[in-house]
Amino acid sequence: DQQVKQNSPSLSVQEGRISILNCDYTNSMFDYFLWYKKYPAEGPTFLISISSIKDKNEDGRFTVFLNKSAKHLSLHIVPSQPGDSAVYFCAASGGSNYKLTFGKGTLLTVNP
Amino acid sequence: DGGITQSPKYLFRKEGQNVTLSCEQNLNHDAMYWYRQDPGQGLRLIYYSQIVNDFQKGDIAEGYSVSREKKESFPLTVTSAQKNPTAFYLCASSIEPGINFFGQGTRLTVV
Repeated sequence: DQQVKQNSPSLSVQEGRISILNCDYTNSMFDYFLWYKKYPAEGPTFLISISSIKDKNEDGRFTVFLNKSAKHLSLHIVPSQPGDSAVYFCAASGGSNYKLTFGKGTLLTVNP
Repeated sequence: DGGITQSPKYLFRKEGQNVTLSCEQNLNHDAMYWYRQDPGQGLRLIYYSQIVNDFQKGDIAEGYSVSREKKESFPLTVTSAQKNPTAFYLCASSIEPGINFFGQGTRLTVV
């Protein structure tokens, strides 16, 4: 069973516009959520995270929103740039558990 | 400069052979991890280690083995028991539960 779901395999946006990537989770024990960016044949790069005690965290062009009641989080990228084109993974962990559970990823393409 | 080094970047193996993937970190992180990525799939956890001389199975440990004799090193052996070993393997480390920092990966191909 998939505990972390990214239901959109791909997303295409125009440069300068907002990109919104979504993630849903089923495990109510998850209390820490992360977003990673990955280029082909490279390791993922950590982007931004959020703890369940918050509902928003912002870092430059990246903002993550968490809706605990809906078990949903989203990553907003504003403004989108062509260099943002990559696969974005959502991940989650719970308590003192070292394990991260990843979604399958969303391929973002930002068109010039 | 600090980081996680995986070697080699590309590895070819004949069916029936064991192969060991190297992962070294100089970040002084206690925890290390091995993930596998297949096309269209997320990252799936193979094994992880929170401290030296201790490790736990992840979600897909069958056909793999690890050791953690030194804090800096966490090698992964893909054994002949792994039925579908062709994949992209990623090593990561963390200072505590949460953010994993990843190496550049090893592409293993069975020929």
